[in-house]
Amino acid sequence: KAGVTQTPRYLIKTRGQQVTLSCSPISGHRSVSWYQQTPGQGLQFLFEYFSETQRNKGNFPGRFSGRQFSNSRSEMNVSTLELGDSALYLCASSLLGFQMNTEAFFGQGTRLTVV
Amino acid sequence: AQKITQTQPGMFVQEKEAVTLDCTYDTSDPSYGLFWYKQPSSGEMIFLIYQGSYDQQNATEGRYSLNFQKARKSANLVISASQLGDSAMYFCAMREAIYNQGGKLIFGQGTELSVKP
Repeated sequence: KAGVTQTPRYLIKTRGQQVTLSCSPISGHRSVSWYQQTPGQGLQFLFEYFSETQRNKGNFPGRFSGRQFSNSRSEMNVSTLELGDSALYLCASSLLGFQMNTEAFFGQGTRLTVV
Repeated sequence: AQKITQTQPGMFVQEKEAVTLDCTYDTSDPSYGLFWYKQPSSGEMIFLIYQGSYDQQNATEGRYSLNFQKARKSANLVISASQLGDSAMYFCAMREAIYNQGGKLIFGQGTELSVKP
């Protein structure tokens, strides 16, 4: 069974540009969550999608957006990139997402560097 | 206020010895779940163990066990018989039921574990 796949693995962008990251969840999983990991702030929740609907959103500016497609694949977009957006972006998928003990399976992340 | 606190930024342990990684949490929700994840240098978060707030017994998964003390709001991870491959960052995380938090996980700052041969 294939795991969570995130593409690309590495990305270098210039300030002001926009970027789109992709996440393919485990087959059959309907919930996808996104997290930003930085040395200073640690792991922070961005948003969660379930059956193409955003169920939950973290405390990030509107420059961060996402969507989920009918096949559960998800994309997140960051517009007008800032240096502080440099981070490891992790995607997690789970079967349903709202059950307390549901394990979240993570991808290897996309490392974004903004220069 | 920090919801998940991991007070040990870094720890060393000798190979084959046991080690305890500390985690305390803060929530007013009676229904919550606690997770431990391992993050090697490759970046992927690997699930280790889960403990539900209503679980009577401490969770165990192979060499991993969770020392759950509800009244103290602590959920320490115990790794028995440490191996060199256990060297990684370890994160404690919580999921709350309140306000339909869904899949959202709240993470601590992590503990970097180094296993010495």
